[in-house]
Amino acid sequence: DTGVSQDPRHKITKRGQNVTFRCDPISEHNRLYWYRQTLGQGPEFLTYFQNEAQLEKSRLLSDRFSAERPKGSFSTLEIQRTEQGDSAMYLCASSPQSSGSDDEQFFGPGTRLTVL
Amino acid sequence: AQSVSQHNHHVILSEAASLELGCNYSYGGTVNLFWYVQYPGQHLQLLLKYFSGDPLVKGIKGFEAEFIKSKFSFNLRKPSVQWSDTAEYFCAVNAPFRGNNRLAFGKGNQVVVIP
Repeated sequence: DTGVSQDPRHKITKRGQNVTFRCDPISEHNRLYWYRQTLGQGPEFLTYFQNEAQLEKSRLLSDRFSAERPKGSFSTLEIQRTEQGDSAMYLCASSPQSSGSDDEQFFGPGTRLTVL
Repeated sequence: AQSVSQHNHHVILSEAASLELGCNYSYGGTVNLFWYVQYPGQHLQLLLKYFSGDPLVKGIKGFEAEFIKSKFSFNLRKPSVQWSDTAEYFCAVNAPFRGNNRLAFGKGNQVVVIP
C-alpha cells in the first residue's frame, strides 16, 4: 500500500449532473477526511469519518453533497445537481487512530472537478 | 473555530537565499501545527509538525519551524534554498484535544526559486 488513492483524477461534467468520487485510504487507517481546494486557497474541510461513522460535517457541505464510508474502508463523495461553483480539487486524507493527539493526515492526489 | 494566516502569497528568490514563511493562527487552546508542501504536479506532503516539546522543529529537506506560543506563530525557515524547493507551502492547525481533528489551512505561499 503506497498511500491514499483517489479515483477519478479528473472529472468534467455538465451543470446539473451528478458525480461520485472514490477515496481509498491507507490500509488500517481508521480516520478519513474530505477537503475541497479552489484556486489560490488552501484546502477547506468538508467532512470526517472514524471507521464507518461520519463524525463531523462542515457547513460547506450543502444538502447536494453526501459522503459515505459503508464498511469503514473506502469512501465515496457524491455531488448531486452540480453547479459551476462546485469546480474544485477534492482531496481525501487518512490518518491512523491514535490514543494521543498526534493526528498526522496523509493526503491523496485529489480529484479535479470541472463543471461546465 | 481556528483560522490560519499566511502572508506574502508569492515569493520569488534565488538559489542559496534564505527563506522564511510566516504563519499565524487564531485559537486559544492547545493546538497541533503543520507545514505541508505541494511540489508541482504532486500531492500534499507533510514537511514538519509540532505536537509538543521543543518548539524548534526540524523537518525534511533542511526545513525547520519555530512555535512561538505568545505570538500564535509557527514560521517556516530554510537557510539556503534550492531550485527543487519550488512549491506551494501550506500551514495548518488542528485542535484534537477539543475533539477537533479537522485541519484548518492557510491560503498557502507559492515559492519560486530561480536557479
